[in-house]
Amino acid sequence: DIQLTQSPSFLSASIGDRVTITCRASQGISSYLAWYQQKPGRAPKVLIYAASTLQSGVPSRFSGSGSGTEFTLTISSLQPEDFATYYCQQLNSFPPYTFGQGTKLEIK
Amino acid sequence: QLQLQESGPGLVKPSETLSLTCTVSGGSISSSSYYWGWIRQPPGKGLEWIGSIYKSGSTDYNPSLKNRVTISVDTSKNQFSLNLSSVTAADTAVYYCARHAVASHYWGQGTLVTVSS
Repeated sequence: DIQLTQSPSFLSASIGDRVTITCRASQGISSYLAWYQQKPGRAPKVLIYAASTLQSGVPSRFSGSGSGTEFTLTISSLQPEDFATYYCQQLNSFPPYTFGQGTKLEIK
Repeated sequence: QLQLQESGPGLVKPSETLSLTCTVSGGSISSSSYYWGWIRQPPGKGLEWIGSIYKSGSTDYNPSLKNRVTISVDTSKNQFSLNLSSVTAADTAVYYCARHAVASHYWGQGTLVTVSS
């Protein structure tokens, strides 16, 4: 199985901050990586797919980059609604379509 | 607008089989070229992909669950289903159904299934 490791697992930041979350794959997955945002009691919502394609309707302050084994999700200027848990998922090699362990973004 | 809705018992006894159905509306399983999958999330924990099915009936399962999982599709009802056998408390989770290709763009709201006697 391909393992995905997110860092950090917890992140404390302030409104307006620029934050970056990293997702590392145990082997190359080309650009078959998606990023999701999940708020408590809600289903995950896709933000980025194919490593860097912004999902329609997602604010442009979210961006993704990377290929191969290292990927990043960047939020350029944190807004109050961005405090949530973020997951990466690889869809290159199956089964299984692995998720990262999650990054919880909290208000400082 | 595509919508997915999970349904099934919220309580299952240990050693029994967990059965859930996902009903798709606003689009047809049989006319699309997507995979339809199940993902679960134990309380307070991360996401685990369980398995997926294509309209043809071909399936892929998480190896960690493969011996206990069956996913099937009923295109006439626009539904797909999950059966997970021999459940234990470790299978207690919110179960989501989703449509995916290069990402899981559409998700159901999730249903909590508790395994307890």
